[in-house]
Amino acid sequence: DAKTTQPNSMESNEEEPVHLPCNHSTISGTDYIHWYRQLPSQGPEYVIHGLTSNVNNRMASLAIAEDRKSSTLILHRATLRDAAVYYCILSGRSGNTPLVFGKGTRLSVIA
Amino acid sequence: GAGVSQSPRYKVAKRGQDVALRCDPISGHVSLFWYQQALGQGPEFLTYFQNEAQLDKSGLPSDRFFAERPEGSVSTLKIQRTQQEDSAVYLCASSGAYEQYFGPGTRLTVT
Repeated sequence: DAKTTQPNSMESNEEEPVHLPCNHSTISGTDYIHWYRQLPSQGPEYVIHGLTSNVNNRMASLAIAEDRKSSTLILHRATLRDAAVYYCILSGRSGNTPLVFGKGTRLSVIA
Repeated sequence: GAGVSQSPRYKVAKRGQDVALRCDPISGHVSLFWYQQALGQGPEFLTYFQNEAQLDKSGLPSDRFFAERPEGSVSTLKIQRTQQEDSAVYLCASSGAYEQYFGPGTRLTVT
């Protein structure tokens, strides 16, 4: 399975932007980059996904490097509710493929 | 609308007991996944259904683990003769067009 590398933990101040990096140097041409997050005591939830172009939605933005070997999840204004483990996952376009989770990045938000 | 639900939320079993964990996916979702999450780790894939067909069970750790989805909606994960190493959170997910929706999980503790 394609693998991703993320920092174990990051910290942010509330209401500041957060940039969560992910390296995926062995990405294949058909791999989409998916981000999920897991709040304490909850199941993971979908955040965003993309293939080549940068993507925006109501939760976050996804910036994808031109060579696709890395990507960055951007939370524009971190809130205390954004404290979670963030997972960067390579998978197919649809949701019908088992997801391969790493350990993710634990984001702490400081008031 | 209603999300993915799982029951029970917590289960304590004595070593050697059998347990059954239930998942109610989002209505109309064809694909259903089971994952196991050990403490401090990301979720790991166990098995996958499309309607009632179990298409992939490569992640089931032993023949003590069995999953079914007889009518293509509700699914049950059964663990026979539980062992301490089975203690984990068991997550169920059903898939939309490009994302998976996770339930809150069942925390199984084997004593």
